[in-house]
Amino acid sequence: EVQLQQSGPEVGRPGSSVKISCKASGYTFTDYVMNWVKQSPGQGLEWIGWIDPEYGSTDYAEKFKKKATLTADTSSSTAYIQLSSLTSEDTATYFCASSAYGGYPGYWGQGVMVTVSS
Amino acid sequence: DIQMTQSPSFLSASVGDRVTLSCKASQNINKYLAWYQQKLGEAPKLLIYNANSLQTGIPSRFSGSGSGTDFTLTISSLQPEDVATYFCLQHNSWPGTFGAGTKLELK
Repeated sequence: EVQLQQSGPEVGRPGSSVKISCKASGYTFTDYVMNWVKQSPGQGLEWIGWIDPEYGSTDYAEKFKKKATLTADTSSSTAYIQLSSLTSEDTATYFCASSAYGGYPGYWGQGVMVTVSS
Repeated sequence: DIQMTQSPSFLSASVGDRVTLSCKASQNINKYLAWYQQKLGEAPKLLIYNANSLQTGIPSRFSGSGSGTDFTLTISSLQPEDVATYFCLQHNSWPGTFGAGTKLELK
């Protein structure tokens, strides 16, 4: 059974960074890309970017190129997203979701709530 | 980026009703459209991919149709457990973009 287990809720101060993890199980981690999606009340669902764990290649939506950094550790089948220079606009739930390259996200993690507050 | 417009934003229907949700793309996306169901506090769940292919394990009362710019998700007989918000996603071009969703409630 495919499972994507994300880390717990995060609280970050404005200007700081947070790093969220997503541990994959039930499939070969390097066979699929890992996507990251943001969900906020104001902006709905937004696709942040993806990483190919096998090659480490990434792509980001233009809006998130200076905000998010995607990495992956094949030894632990874990993907990460780091969000930097936090502002109130970053308060949202962040999902990881696996897909074939160029495909639709099929399996999703449970989501991580990030709250930016001083 | 391609804009995805869903309608209606809210829909109230009765158990057993046939329900139709619409999703329109701002340009041709061929059949690269997926539908998701999201219940409160949960992650989105894939229902339909490639516009009309039913994901494994999804009840057959769900179906999708369309290509190009106009797409439809149909629930043939609404069940209480179908109360949720439904999103469409285009992945024809990067970045993929989601519609704003249709919130489905029971009448």
